[in-house]
Amino acid sequence: EVVLTQSPGTVSLSPGERATLSCRASQSITSTSLAWYQQKPGQAPSLLIYGASSRATGIPDRFSGSGSGTDFTLTISRLEPEDFVVYYCQHYGSSPFLTFGGGTKVEIK
Amino acid sequence: EVQLLQSGGGLVQIGGSLRLSCVVSGFTFRNFSMSWVRQLPGKGLEWVSSFSSGDTTYYADSVKGRFTLSRDISQNTLFLQMNSLTAEDTAIYYCARSMGPCLDHWGQGTPVTVSS
Repeated sequence: EVVLTQSPGTVSLSPGERATLSCRASQSITSTSLAWYQQKPGQAPSLLIYGASSRATGIPDRFSGSGSGTDFTLTISRLEPEDFVVYYCQHYGSSPFLTFGGGTKVEIK
Repeated sequence: EVQLLQSGGGLVQIGGSLRLSCVVSGFTFRNFSMSWVRQLPGKGLEWVSSFSSGDTTYYADSVKGRFTLSRDISQNTLFLQMNSLTAEDTAIYYCARSMGPCLDHWGQGTPVTVSS
C-alpha cells in the first residue's frame, strides 16, 4: 500500500510569494498515477494537476507540478488571494484504488 | 457541461442504513469509471469505493462488506448503499468521475451523520 505524506501541514506565505508543497510516496510510483487537487472552504475538491505535471483544464499557469519516483512537488509561482486554501495529492493504484495525502493548508502570513 | 448532482445524505442512527445517489449529466455515463470519496469532519480525503472499467468494483477496507456500489445506466445515476453504519462513517461524501488515474469532476458533496 502506497502512503502519501504531504509537507508542510500548514505553510504561511504572503500574496505574490512562491509556494512549494511536497508529496512524498512511501514507495516509488509512476508519474502518471499522481494528481493534485485544490479544495476551497465548503466546496468539493477540484483537479489541479494530473500525471504529476499536466495542468487540468482552466488551471492558470502559475500552478505547476513536478517530480518522479517518491518525491513530487506542487509549485504556485505567485500566490493570489484565492490560492490560500488546502491542497491534496492523490495516487492511483490497485489496492487501495486511490490514496490521498493528508493535505497542506496554505494560509496568509 | 459535466454535472454531478448528489442526494440522499442525512442523519441516521448507529447500525442504520442510507443510500446516496449521484445523478450525472453532460457525458456518457457508461463510458466512465466513477468513485466515492469522503471527508471526515475537519479532516482530509478518504477514498471509499470505485467502479473501474468493466464494472469491477473496489472498496476501501473500512467499508468492505457494509457498503455496496451500483449504478443505473438508464437513469445516469450512481448509488452507494451504506449499511451497518458507525459513528466513524460520519463524513461528507463526494461522488466523482474518474478520468484515468484522477478524479476530474466532483459532485457537491452530501453530509452523512451517524449518531446514537
